[in-house]
Amino acid sequence: DTGVSQDPRHKITKRGQNVTFRCDPISEHNRLYWYRQTLGQGPEFLTYFQNEAQLEKSRLLSDRFSAERPKGSFSTLEIQRTEQGDSAMYLCASSLTGRGTEAFFGQGTRLTVV
Amino acid sequence: AQSVTQPDIHITVSEGASLELRCNYSYGATPYLFWYVQSPGQGLQLLLKYFSGDTLVQGIKGFEAEFKRSQSSFNLRKPSVHWSDAAEYFCAVVPANQAGTALIFGKGTTLSVSS
Repeated sequence: DTGVSQDPRHKITKRGQNVTFRCDPISEHNRLYWYRQTLGQGPEFLTYFQNEAQLEKSRLLSDRFSAERPKGSFSTLEIQRTEQGDSAMYLCASSLTGRGTEAFFGQGTRLTVV
Repeated sequence: AQSVTQPDIHITVSEGASLELRCNYSYGATPYLFWYVQSPGQGLQLLLKYFSGDTLVQGIKGFEAEFKRSQSSFNLRKPSVHWSDAAEYFCAVVPANQAGTALIFGKGTTLSVSS
């Protein structure tokens, strides 16, 4: 098991373009989380899945953002019509079920919108 | 308002000196409490966590944290800092009375270690 992996690690895109990120969680983990981290801030929760069901979405997740987790394995986060304010590190984490179980984080995808 | 506060944005400590990073939370009931470390270009790594029981929690890399209910604090400590400890440290909570299970993070404290 190699932990949580995210692809790509870096993405530069022009404003208005769509981008998609992928997260592969630890294989036996049924929970998967997406966070966004901007410079000088802690990670901010975006959304989470339990298996294939998206159970919670933050107010930060505007209509331009969509996340999926088909078959309860890997997940994708898509941003449509990117804006400069979307520039951030997008972190994925996975865990087993349970409020206090440890969440393991990937190294993140750094998005730069120019 | 519910929040996690890390009052110190940046701390510099001499190598070998002791370290304390502060974390305060504002929630009605005691949340689950965590400390994570993030090194440049790396993901977040869990140092330690507190759910209940003994208020002094031991973690990895020689770190410990003490939960103080009366002060709503969960400060991170290390008796002797190594240069490799230079990183960003985040306090995080999972609120006890909310349906969600996602971590809520503070803004972080950057630790620099001087020789």
